[in-house]
Amino acid sequence: LAKTTQPISMDSYEGQEVNITCSHNNIATNDYITWYQQFPSQGPRFIIQGYKTKVTNEVASLFIPADRKSSTLSLPRVSLSDTAVYYCLVGVGPEAAGNKLTFGGGTRVLVKP
Amino acid sequence: EPEVTQTPSHQVTQMGQEVILRCVPISNHLYFYWYRQILGQKVEFLVSFYNNEISEKSEIFDDQFSVERPDGSNFTLKIRSTKLEDSAMYFCASSQSGQPQHFGDGTRLSIL
Repeated sequence: LAKTTQPISMDSYEGQEVNITCSHNNIATNDYITWYQQFPSQGPRFIIQGYKTKVTNEVASLFIPADRKSSTLSLPRVSLSDTAVYYCLVGVGPEAAGNKLTFGGGTRVLVKP
Repeated sequence: EPEVTQTPSHQVTQMGQEVILRCVPISNHLYFYWYRQILGQKVEFLVSFYNNEISEKSEIFDDQFSVERPDGSNFTLKIRSTKLEDSAMYFCASSQSGQPQHFGDGTRLSIL
């Protein structure tokens, strides 16, 4: 299982773009990169998943360079409600049924007014 | 949007007692999971369940733990004889196939 490394915490201000980089040097050929968000006293919530290049949805963008040894989650124009812990996970993709998720420590993002 | 629901939101139990945590997964999902998160620590996988049997379990999921899907809608986690170290948030999740997994908001289990 590829190990991930991400910053423990980041501070930002409302309206700014937040970029969280995750290192995964040992990513395997079949591995996807997935990001989850967790608010206090809630379960993790899926944000975005990608394999290579760039993926964008209504919440975030995920940038994956060609060597796939890192990835960057980009949250545009954050608000106070984006304060949460963000987890980078590397492993099975959307077609791999029933596989467990392995969470690291995540990045605690604090958005200030 | 369909949700995974968990009850109760908070359970307080005496050490040594049995506890059952309940989950209603999203209705068309086929894969079910339990995770736990001890206060201030990582989210840890406990068990996955598919087709009425356990697919995978972690070292944490010892003989004190069991899971069941009793009626086609509920998915339960039973801890037979609770210990102080079982105090944690327990999250149920479900998925249609692989990813993503959809999580409930958890049951906070407090063992006294």
